[in-house]
Amino acid sequence: AQSVAQPEDQVNVAEGNPLTVKCTYSVSGNPYLFWYVQYPNRGLQFLLKYITGDNLVKGSYGFEAEFNKSQTSFHLKKPSALVSDSALYFCAVRDPDNYGQNFVFGPGTRLSVLP
Amino acid sequence: EAGVTQFPSHSVIEKGQTVTLRCDPISGHDNLYWYRRVMGKEIKFLLHFVKESKQDESGMPNNRFLAERTGGTYSTLKVQPAELEDSGVYFCASSPFRGLYEQYFGPGTRLTVT
Repeated sequence: AQSVAQPEDQVNVAEGNPLTVKCTYSVSGNPYLFWYVQYPNRGLQFLLKYITGDNLVKGSYGFEAEFNKSQTSFHLKKPSALVSDSALYFCAVRDPDNYGQNFVFGPGTRLSVLP
Repeated sequence: EAGVTQFPSHSVIEKGQTVTLRCDPISGHDNLYWYRRVMGKEIKFLLHFVKESKQDESGMPNNRFLAERTGGTYSTLKVQPAELEDSGVYFCASSPFRGLYEQYFGPGTRLTVT
């Protein structure tokens, strides 16, 4: 069965500092990995995805993520955090062999960027 | 291009009542998904339509939940009768077709059962 873990409920970082939001996954085969962000009173917005190829994926708003197959991780990173990055971040996985094609989400990590 | 829309944005009902949630996917998207997030926990899959057909409903919690997708366009999710544990945020998502594509999510409907 597929699963996603986000080990930190909350991440606090000062504005201008680099940020990392951690994600590890468990899936048979090669995973498709995604990051979504939810701002207050808004739906989930797609940030980036890893399907195949380069392990470093660049996405929206200056975010990037690195796929590490040996560590089964897909951590989200940004070199310099902004206060406006404060939101709830979800990691998700799709198993390409999963007939249903649905996402399995992690529990979410709340990012607070302090001015 | 209009995004995924959901109605209502918030619904408060009493236990035992019926509620119907609506989702309008992005035009032309064959795939439509329902998810929910209960009590701040994981977002969990409920079911998946391809056009008007239910492709996978393995995540539906019980037979109090009924989903339909009329003519392969908008979808409704009915909860009848509602229970306290049904409270949460119900998300709808759509995607163009099978494969590698990300899903586009609506803003969600916050359901509160009292």
